[in-house]
Amino acid sequence: ETGVTQSPTHLIKTRGQQVTLRCSSQSGHNTVSWYQQALGQGPQFIFQYYREEENGRGNFPPRFSGLQFPNYSSELNVNALELDDSALYLCASSPDLAGGQETQYFGPGTRLLVL
Amino acid sequence: AQSVTQPDIHITVSEGASLELRCNYSYGATPYLFWYVQSPGQGLQLLLKYFSGDTLVQGIKGFEAEFKRSQSSFNLRKPSVHWSDAAEYFCAVAFLSGGYNKLIFGAGTRLAVHP
Repeated sequence: ETGVTQSPTHLIKTRGQQVTLRCSSQSGHNTVSWYQQALGQGPQFIFQYYREEENGRGNFPPRFSGLQFPNYSSELNVNALELDDSALYLCASSPDLAGGQETQYFGPGTRLLVL
Repeated sequence: AQSVTQPDIHITVSEGASLELRCNYSYGATPYLFWYVQSPGQGLQLLLKYFSGDTLVQGIKGFEAEFKRSQSSFNLRKPSVHWSDAAEYFCAVAFLSGGYNKLIFGAGTRLAVHP
């Protein structure tokens, strides 16, 4: 069984640029969540996709957007990059929503550095 | 407001010693609780989870955690620490809202193991 994979592993961008991060969910999982983990902090929820629709969002501005595809893989797009966007971006997949008792399994993350 | 507190930012133990990492949560309903471990530069690996039932849960790598509702705690324990356990540990609670499920993480506890 293949776990959650993310690409690229590392990325360097400059302020104002746009970036796209990719995530392949674990087999059989149709829900994908994205988290931002700044250095020295716990992960913060960005948004969640369920069957290709965004069904929940954290306290992040609209320049953070996403997509989920029919195969349940997902993209995170960030426009107009700011220095504070430098972080580890984690993708997590989980099976069908079951009242919260599903478990989120995380990928290895993409480390983004904004200069 | 929902939150998770990990009071200890950094803990150092000797190899073979016992370990307890503290976690306190604030959540209005029945909590679904998790412990994840993160090795340097890596994603999050699930150690164990509590949904209901027996308040002492067993996880991987010899870890266990005990849910105490009266103390709003979910402390992680291991009877004998190995050098490979050095990592950062995150406690999380699942927050359910409007059909989506996000994890709220603590700030993490960094564990160092002396030989």
